[in-house]
Amino acid sequence: GESVGLHLPTLSVQEGDNSIINCAYSNSASDYFIWYKQESGKGPQFIIDIRSNMDKRQGQRVTVLLNKTVKHLSLQIAATQPGDSAVYFCAEKGGGKLIFGQGTELSVKP
Amino acid sequence: ETGVTQSPTHLIKTRGQQVTLRCSSQSGHNTVSWYQQALGQGPQFIFQYYREEENGRGNFPPRFSGLQFPNYSSELNVNALELDDSALYLCASSSDGGYNEQFFGPGTRLTVL
Repeated sequence: GESVGLHLPTLSVQEGDNSIINCAYSNSASDYFIWYKQESGKGPQFIIDIRSNMDKRQGQRVTVLLNKTVKHLSLQIAATQPGDSAVYFCAEKGGGKLIFGQGTELSVKP
Repeated sequence: ETGVTQSPTHLIKTRGQQVTLRCSSQSGHNTVSWYQQALGQGPQFIFQYYREEENGRGNFPPRFSGLQFPNYSSELNVNALELDDSALYLCASSSDGGYNEQFFGPGTRLTVL
């Protein structure tokens, strides 16, 4: 069945360093992916998205890379800040619904 | 803030009881999607309501049911509660059947004892 999974459940980085969060998906027909950030006690918050006709998309301090050959996407956060500490999910959008992976908890050390 | 509100914030029930959770969508949105998020997991799609009709359902039993009102707010009802129903229940508001960006509320934390 459809699934979106993450390689690592936790990631700890030093403040100011770059963070890379990875995600694998299984449905080769997927054409739209989204990264969400979820802080404690809050719902997921949209960070950035990418369609399957793109390999890379950049936002403010964030970049998403998509490798359709190996069905993998990553989220890169530049100059990670304490406010970036949260759980990050990749999600595949299909038929108006979101299919989430397990999530990676990002911890930023001062 | 997304403008999506959910009530109550927290709820404690016992096995076998019934629960109703509520979601007010963002102004201008006609679609509400419900997700269940177990501890340490990603949200799982329960179902979606679009213009007061169910518009897709995930792998959840019939004791999970919903409703959408003319103002596009929505309810999630769960009958015969089981311990595994303990989770954070999220609603997401969007337009056009969920094909546009979905904005999440803060969730309702349900604990079943």
